Amino acid sequence: DSGVTQTPKHLITATGQRVTLRCSPRSGDLSVYWYQQSLDQGLQFLIQYYNGEERAKGNILERFSAQQFPDLHSELNLSSLELGDSALYFCASSAHPYNSPLHFGNGTRLTVT
Amino acid sequence: GESVGLHLPTLSVQEGDNSIINCAYSNSASDYFIWYKQESGKGPQFIIDIRSNMDKRQGQRVTVLLNKTVKHLSLQIAATQPGDSAVYFCAENMGLETSGSRLTFGEGTQLTVNP
Repeated sequence: DSGVTQTPKHLITATGQRVTLRCSPRSGDLSVYWYQQSLDQGLQFLIQYYNGEERAKGNILERFSAQQFPDLHSELNLSSLELGDSALYFCASSAHPYNSPLHFGNGTRLTVT
Repeated sequence: GESVGLHLPTLSVQEGDNSIINCAYSNSASDYFIWYKQESGKGPQFIIDIRSNMDKRQGQRVTVLLNKTVKHLSLQIAATQPGDSAVYFCAENMGLETSGSRLTFGEGTQLTVNP
């Protein structure tokens, strides 16, 4: 068990809808990351937060947004969902914002129908 | 058994053999590398990391080798066990200390351990 908690585990929704994925980092970790894993794209970095502030941005679509709250949990919001957004979404956390191992949760499987 | 980097995404070995999983990374400026193991239905699990100022690091039954000259990373697993069967990813940090981590993953190698 990595100590990173993601909810929900599974999510099925329709195109055009909006969903929120939630992540609680490991105790003591200040940095949170979001990754998308699909069969054809592999693990893609979306965004990193450190102590509530955005730190690094990857291939995150404009329809997606994230934030990290004062209690350090994070949410990833996905809107105007398309079929191609179906994927596993992983949250990870690390103690330090740079060159520190990321510890991943078990992901949220999103299916857009 | 030995894989040949990203172009051979599967590796099959016998239980008890040593396994070598290879990875070619892309950015010569990357200064931090990690190996992850991912089992079906789970998130990537941290195995071992190495910084660019080192060329070898050992853990429990695992060794990571880094060759910066040819931008090559390898993971050696000693006495491979059935529980080692999983997909293994290498990852490099393509970010900067001032702008945060951008851990970029390779495509992965499926390791199958035969009893």
